[in-house]
Formats: sequence, structure tokens, C-alpha cells
Amino acid sequence: GQQVMQIPQYQHVQEGEDFTTYCNSSTTLSNIQWYKQRPGGHPVFLIQLVKSGEVKKQKRLTFQFGEAKKNSSLHITATQTTDVGTYFCAKTDSWGKLQFGAGTQVVVTP
Amino acid sequence: DGGITQSPKYLFRKEGQNVTLSCEQNLNHDAMYWYRQDPGQGLRLIYYSQIVNDFQKGDIAEGYSVSREKKESFPLTVTSAQKNPTAFYLCASSFGSSGNTIYFGEGSWLTVV
Repeated sequence: GQQVMQIPQYQHVQEGEDFTTYCNSSTTLSNIQWYKQRPGGHPVFLIQLVKSGEVKKQKRLTFQFGEAKKNSSLHITATQTTDVGTYFCAKTDSWGKLQFGAGTQVVVTP
Repeated sequence: DGGITQSPKYLFRKEGQNVTLSCEQNLNHDAMYWYRQDPGQGLRLIYYSQIVNDFQKGDIAEGYSVSREKKESFPLTVTSAQKNPTAFYLCASSFGSSGNTIYFGEGSWLTVV
């Protein structure tokens, strides 16, 4: 089925810098979820966005759902070493199942 | 993320042998899932089950089999027909299957030699 595309695939960030990762779909999404997987760990749910133009914040993480509900972004400010990991977005497919993007792997340089 | 137990965490098997990975949840979730993750790649759905005694194929079901005899349990068998079984396998569950939040187990690393 149609997947969500995540860019970039890899992100090297200097500690203290900001960065953004994007999640794009060719079709309108009913919702978008974000997960984080630490190295060697399992994915952990971060947030779900449902409304057009919705913006949610979790400390230094800002999640946004596009007005057309075809894209989403995750912006991290003042990156810390604890932000290392792979961030996945996931959409609900026509059968109601979650379909994950390939993820953005984030490496933080002290 | 507690409440979903996968075992074993690490498993080595010879080529041609069937392997069964265990997944148990005590979250009273109706839906359960198996995903496969290859290094540096995303999560691909193998099988999912929305209710006891019922399951459906995901995107990469070939070479795998599952059962759902109890609500709490969703074991995955990696058969000898799976051409490239070495991977990280993640079991997950949710209250429903329609876009609800998924909770993952800690995963099982399978290496076939």
C-alpha cells in the first residue's frame, strides 16, 4: 500500500542545534502518529495528530500536522544526546492498520 | 510499554529449521501484531489479529505463520520457507486496530546461520 515517506533518512546534529524531520503522504491522512526507537530498543509512542494544522509540543519536541493533512513534521530544539534514535511516523491505512515510514535516524555529536 | 513480553530476546537457529517466537500481553488488548525490522529500515507488518481465533496477513506474510488461541498470546513461527529470516522481530498490541496507539514488546533478535 501507499507508504508515508520520511526525510531525511539520516540526520547528524551538533548538540544544542535544532533540526526538523518530515513525513509526507500522497493521500490525505486521517491521523498521523510518531514513535521513537532508541538504539537497540523498541519503538515507543510519542504523539498522535488528528486535526488539520494541529501543533502539539512535548518539551523540546514540536509536532505539526499539515493543513492539507498530507504531511507532518517533528522539530527538535536544542538537541541533546538523549534525542539519539530513530523517529518513525505512521499512518492508518484503509484497513485501519498502522503503516510506518522508514524512519529518520538521528545521531547527535557532543 | 510494559505488559508485552517477547521471548526469547536472542535466538540462533540453523537454516531450514522452524522457529517460534513468543508474545504475551496482559494489557487486555484486542489487537496484536508482528512486525519485522531489518537494520536501518522501517517496520514491516507480518501478521495481525483483531480478535481471538482470527488473524490476517500483513505486507510480508510469506514464510511465516501465527495463531491466536488466547487473547493474551500471539506466537509467530518463522518457517524454513522464509528466505531471509535473520531480523529483529517486534510484537505489538493495541485496544483496537483502527489507528489506535500501538505498544511494542522489547523485540526478539533472530539470527539464522
